[in-house]
Amino acid sequence: DQQVKQNSPSLSVQEGRISILNCDYTNSMFDYFLWYKKYPAEGPTFLISISSIKDKNEDGRFTVFLNKSAKHLSLHIVPSQPGDSAVYFCAANYGGSQGNLIFGKGTKLSVKP
Amino acid sequence: KAGVTQTPRYLIKTRGQQVTLSCSPISGHRSVSWYQQTPGQGLQFLFEYFSETQRNKGNFPGRFSGRQFSNSRSEMNVSTLELGDSALYLCASSKLAGAGDEQFFGPGTRLTVL
Repeated sequence: DQQVKQNSPSLSVQEGRISILNCDYTNSMFDYFLWYKKYPAEGPTFLISISSIKDKNEDGRFTVFLNKSAKHLSLHIVPSQPGDSAVYFCAANYGGSQGNLIFGKGTKLSVKP
Repeated sequence: KAGVTQTPRYLIKTRGQQVTLSCSPISGHRSVSWYQQTPGQGLQFLFEYFSETQRNKGNFPGRFSGRQFSNSRSEMNVSTLELGDSALYLCASSKLAGAGDEQFFGPGTRLTVL
């Protein structure tokens, strides 16, 4: 059973507009949620994270929103740039000493000039 | 500062063989995790090591094993390879092993089983 779900395999956005990537989870025990970006032939790169005690975290053009009651989080990229084109993974992990990440299957974002 | 390095980058094996993959974490990082990425299953956690001890293990058969050395370098081994083991194997390191600790990923080892 998939605990972290990204239901949109792909998303296409015009340069300068907002990109919204969504992620749902089923396990209420998750303490942290993270977003990673992955280019072909490279490992995932950390983008931004949010603790379960917060509902928003912002870093430059990237903002993550967490809705615990809906078990839903989203990543907003504003404004979108062609260099943002990549696969975005949502991940979650438990509190305490467990560092393993549970990943969604990813959403491929294409930002068109 | 050097990133996470993985060797080899590409590997071709045949069914029934075994393989050993290597991961060197970022200097000062004590936690190493391994993940398998396939088109169908996405990124799946294999195991996590911290200070030479396996702290956590994913839902993979016993053919998958790993270890961590005193210098934090890690290896993973897959015995009796099956076609379904063809995947990108990613290693990630972090300073500690707590939730929310940023994990830095290597470029991966692409394993093809024929």
